[in-house]
Amino acid sequence: DQQVKQNSPSLSVQEGRISILNCDYTNSMFDYFLWYKKYPAEGPTFLISISSIKDKNEDGRFTVFLNKSAKHLSLHIVPSQPGDSAVYFCAASGVGNFNKFYFGSGTKLNVKP
Amino acid sequence: DAGITQSPRHKVTETGTPVTLRCHQTENHRYMYWYRQDPGHGLRLIHYSYGVKDTDKGEVSDGYSVSRSKTEDFLLTLESATSSQTSVYFCAISESRRGVGNEQFFGPGTRLTVL
Repeated sequence: DQQVKQNSPSLSVQEGRISILNCDYTNSMFDYFLWYKKYPAEGPTFLISISSIKDKNEDGRFTVFLNKSAKHLSLHIVPSQPGDSAVYFCAASGVGNFNKFYFGSGTKLNVKP
Repeated sequence: DAGITQSPRHKVTETGTPVTLRCHQTENHRYMYWYRQDPGHGLRLIHYSYGVKDTDKGEVSDGYSVSRSKTEDFLLTLESATSSQTSVYFCAISESRRGVGNEQFFGPGTRLTVL
Protein backbone atom coordinates (compact mmCIF):
# COMPACT_ATOMS: atom_id res chain seq x y z
CA ASP A 1 0.00 0.00 0.00
CA GLN A 2 1.54 3.28 -1.12
CA GLN A 3 2.22 5.65 1.76
CA VAL A 4 2.95 8.59 -0.53
CA LYS A 5 0.57 9.32 -3.39
CA GLN A 6 0.58 11.66 -6.33
CA ASN A 7 -2.85 11.35 -7.85
CA SER A 8 -2.22 13.45 -10.95
CA PRO A 9 -0.03 11.58 -13.45
CA SER A 10 0.30 14.67 -15.63
CA LEU A 11 -0.16 18.43 -15.63
CA SER A 12 0.00 20.93 -18.47
CA VAL A 13 0.61 24.62 -17.82
CA GLN A 14 1.25 27.69 -19.95
CA GLU A 15 4.65 29.36 -19.65
CA GLY A 16 4.61 32.16 -17.09
CA ARG A 17 1.68 30.73 -15.14
CA ILE A 18 1.75 28.89 -11.84
CA SER A 19 2.26 25.11 -11.66
CA ILE A 20 0.85 23.35 -8.61
CA LEU A 21 1.83 19.76 -7.98
CA ASN A 22 0.14 17.86 -5.20
CA CYS A 23 1.14 15.01 -2.94
CA ASP A 24 -0.69 13.16 -0.16
CA TYR A 25 0.68 10.84 2.49
CA THR A 26 -0.92 8.43 4.89
CA ASN A 27 1.65 7.94 7.64
CA SER A 28 1.52 10.67 10.31
CA MET A 29 5.02 9.69 11.47
CA PHE A 30 6.62 11.21 8.38
CA ASP A 31 8.50 14.33 9.42
CA TYR A 32 10.55 15.33 6.40
CA PHE A 33 9.34 15.84 2.86
CA LEU A 34 11.21 16.37 -0.37
CA TRP A 35 10.57 17.10 -4.02
CA TYR A 36 12.72 15.74 -6.82
CA LYS A 37 12.77 16.60 -10.48
CA LYS A 38 13.60 14.07 -13.17
CA TYR A 39 14.43 14.57 -16.82
CA PRO A 40 14.30 11.63 -19.26
CA ALA A 41 17.33 9.34 -19.19
CA GLU A 42 18.70 11.04 -16.06
CA GLY A 43 18.54 10.35 -12.35
CA PRO A 44 16.24 12.41 -10.13
CA THR A 45 17.71 15.58 -8.68
CA PHE A 46 16.79 17.16 -5.38
CA LEU A 47 14.68 20.29 -5.68
CA ILE A 48 13.37 21.45 -2.31
CA SER A 49 12.45 20.03 1.08
CA ILE A 50 10.43 20.88 4.16
CA SER A 51 10.50 19.72 7.75
CA SER A 52 7.28 18.97 9.58
CA ILE A 53 7.95 21.85 11.97
CA LYS A 54 7.34 24.27 9.11
CA ASP A 55 4.38 24.84 6.83
CA LYS A 56 6.21 26.62 4.02
CA ASN A 57 9.63 26.66 2.45
CA GLU A 58 10.66 28.84 -0.45
CA ASP A 59 13.60 28.68 -2.82
CA GLY A 60 13.47 31.07 -5.74
CA ARG A 61 10.58 30.12 -8.01
CA PHE A 62 9.83 27.01 -5.97
CA THR A 63 7.71 26.91 -2.82
CA VAL A 64 6.60 23.84 -0.92
CA PHE A 65 3.59 24.00 1.38
CA LEU A 66 2.85 21.43 4.05
CA ASN A 67 -0.57 20.86 5.62
CA LYS A 68 0.02 18.30 8.36
CA SER A 69 -3.60 18.01 9.42
CA ALA A 70 -4.60 17.10 5.88
CA LYS A 71 -1.42 15.06 5.28
CA HIS A 72 -0.91 17.02 2.11
CA LEU A 73 1.94 18.88 0.51
CA SER A 74 2.17 20.86 -2.66
CA LEU A 75 4.90 22.31 -4.84
CA HIS A 76 4.29 25.67 -6.46
CA ILE A 77 6.40 26.84 -9.38
CA VAL A 78 6.03 30.51 -10.26
CA PRO A 79 6.51 31.51 -12.99
CA SER A 80 6.65 28.22 -14.87
CA GLN A 81 9.25 27.89 -17.61
CA PRO A 82 9.57 25.37 -20.45
CA GLY A 83 12.74 24.03 -18.80
CA ASP A 84 10.61 22.99 -15.83
CA SER A 85 9.01 20.29 -17.99
CA ALA A 86 9.96 17.07 -16.21
CA VAL A 87 8.59 14.41 -13.90
CA TYR A 88 8.30 15.53 -10.29
CA PHE A 89 8.41 13.09 -7.40
CA CYS A 90 7.52 13.82 -3.83
CA ALA A 91 9.13 11.78 -1.08
CA ALA A 92 8.80 11.43 2.66
CA SER A 93 10.91 10.10 5.49
CA GLY A 94 10.63 9.66 9.23
CA VAL A 95 8.81 6.78 10.86
CA GLY A 96 11.77 6.27 13.18
CA ASN A 97 14.25 6.21 10.31
CA PHE A 98 14.88 9.50 8.60
CA ASN A 99 17.21 7.84 6.11
CA LYS A 100 14.54 5.64 4.57
CA PHE A 101 12.48 7.37 1.91
CA TYR A 102 9.08 6.67 0.38
CA PHE A 103 8.30 8.08 -3.04
CA GLY A 104 5.13 8.96 -4.87
CA SER A 105 4.48 7.76 -8.40
CA GLY A 106 5.37 11.09 -9.98
CA THR A 107 3.62 13.87 -11.92
CA LYS A 108 4.74 14.72 -15.42
CA LEU A 109 4.70 18.50 -15.87
CA ASN A 110 4.55 19.99 -19.34
CA VAL A 111 5.10 23.73 -19.59
CA LYS A 112 3.96 25.02 -22.95
CA PRO A 113 5.76 27.99 -24.51
CA ASP B 1 27.24 16.98 -8.95
CA ALA B 2 27.59 14.15 -6.46
CA GLY B 3 30.06 11.53 -7.61
CA ILE B 4 27.86 8.54 -8.31
CA THR B 5 28.32 6.16 -11.20
CA GLN B 6 26.38 3.09 -12.19
CA SER B 7 27.50 0.23 -14.38
CA PRO B 8 26.44 -1.03 -16.75
CA ARG B 9 24.17 1.74 -18.03
CA HIS B 10 22.24 -0.65 -20.26
CA LYS B 11 21.91 -4.40 -20.16
CA VAL B 12 19.84 -6.97 -21.98
CA THR B 13 19.76 -10.44 -20.52
CA GLU B 14 17.72 -13.61 -20.65
CA THR B 15 15.34 -15.04 -18.09
CA GLY B 16 17.10 -17.19 -15.52
CA THR B 17 20.54 -15.61 -15.81
CA PRO B 18 22.23 -13.86 -12.89
CA VAL B 19 22.80 -10.12 -13.17
CA THR B 20 24.86 -7.76 -11.02
CA LEU B 21 24.56 -3.99 -11.11
CA ARG B 22 27.21 -1.82 -9.55
CA CYS B 23 26.96 1.55 -7.87
CA HIS B 24 30.12 3.48 -7.04
CA GLN B 25 30.36 6.73 -5.06
CA THR B 26 33.22 9.09 -4.35
CA GLU B 27 31.39 11.14 -1.69
CA ASN B 28 32.04 8.86 1.28
CA HIS B 29 28.33 8.99 2.17
CA ARG B 30 27.17 6.48 4.72
CA TYR B 31 23.83 5.52 3.13
CA MET B 32 23.40 3.87 -0.25
CA TYR B 33 20.15 2.76 -1.89
CA TRP B 34 18.84 0.79 -4.83
CA TYR B 35 15.50 1.78 -6.38
CA ARG B 36 13.59 0.62 -9.38
CA GLN B 37 11.42 2.93 -11.46
CA ASP B 38 8.39 1.59 -13.27
CA PRO B 39 5.50 3.41 -14.95
CA GLY B 40 2.71 4.13 -12.47
CA HIS B 41 4.83 3.16 -9.49
CA GLY B 42 7.43 5.87 -9.26
CA LEU B 43 10.55 4.95 -7.34
CA ARG B 44 10.37 1.89 -5.13
CA LEU B 45 13.09 0.98 -2.67
CA ILE B 46 14.67 -2.44 -3.18
CA HIS B 47 17.42 -2.47 -0.56
CA TYR B 48 19.53 0.05 1.24
CA SER B 49 22.74 0.09 3.22
CA TYR B 50 23.65 2.11 6.30
CA GLY B 51 27.29 1.07 6.42
CA VAL B 52 29.77 -1.51 5.24
CA LYS B 53 28.14 -4.93 5.53
CA ASP B 54 24.97 -3.34 6.97
CA THR B 55 21.94 -3.64 4.72
CA ASP B 56 18.18 -3.75 5.04
CA LYS B 57 15.23 -4.59 2.83
CA GLY B 58 12.98 -2.11 1.11
CA GLU B 59 9.47 -2.39 -0.30
CA VAL B 60 10.28 -4.70 -3.24
CA SER B 61 13.24 -6.81 -2.14
CA ASP B 62 12.05 -10.24 -3.32
CA GLY B 63 14.35 -11.63 -6.01
CA TYR B 64 17.15 -9.20 -5.19
CA SER B 65 20.21 -9.33 -2.97
CA VAL B 66 22.82 -6.70 -2.17
CA SER B 67 26.31 -6.46 -0.83
CA ARG B 68 28.49 -3.66 0.44
CA SER B 69 32.05 -4.64 1.21
CA LYS B 70 33.45 -1.12 0.83
CA THR B 71 32.02 2.29 1.62
CA GLU B 72 32.12 3.32 -2.02
CA ASP B 73 30.51 0.28 -3.68
CA PHE B 74 27.00 -1.12 -3.43
CA LEU B 75 26.12 -4.12 -5.59
CA LEU B 76 22.64 -5.26 -6.56
CA THR B 77 22.28 -8.87 -7.71
CA LEU B 78 19.39 -10.56 -9.43
CA GLU B 79 20.12 -14.22 -8.76
CA SER B 80 17.85 -15.45 -11.55
CA ALA B 81 16.43 -12.63 -13.63
CA THR B 82 12.74 -12.62 -14.56
CA SER B 83 10.84 -10.49 -17.05
CA SER B 84 9.13 -8.67 -14.17
CA GLN B 85 12.54 -7.28 -13.23
CA THR B 86 12.76 -5.36 -16.48
CA SER B 87 13.05 -1.81 -15.19
CA VAL B 88 15.25 1.20 -14.75
CA TYR B 89 17.41 0.89 -11.64
CA PHE B 90 18.70 3.89 -9.74
CA CYS B 91 21.34 4.02 -7.08
CA ALA B 92 21.25 6.84 -4.54
CA ILE B 93 23.38 8.05 -1.66
CA SER B 94 22.78 10.23 1.35
CA GLU B 95 24.59 11.34 4.43
CA SER B 96 23.18 10.93 7.87
CA ARG B 97 22.86 14.15 9.80
CA ARG B 98 21.44 13.64 13.25
CA GLY B 99 18.29 15.58 13.88
CA VAL B 100 18.17 17.00 10.38
CA GLY B 101 16.51 15.64 7.29
CA ASN B 102 18.71 14.98 4.32
CA GLU B 103 18.31 14.63 0.61
CA GLN B 104 19.48 11.85 -1.64
CA PHE B 105 21.71 12.12 -4.67
CA PHE B 106 20.93 9.79 -7.52
CA GLY B 107 23.05 8.06 -10.12
CA PRO B 108 22.22 8.16 -13.84
CA GLY B 109 20.36 4.84 -13.83
CA THR B 110 20.72 1.42 -15.43
CA ARG B 111 18.16 0.23 -17.94
CA LEU B 112 17.75 -3.53 -17.60
CA THR B 113 15.76 -5.63 -20.04
CA VAL B 114 15.06 -9.27 -19.26
CA LEU B 115 13.90 -11.24 -22.29
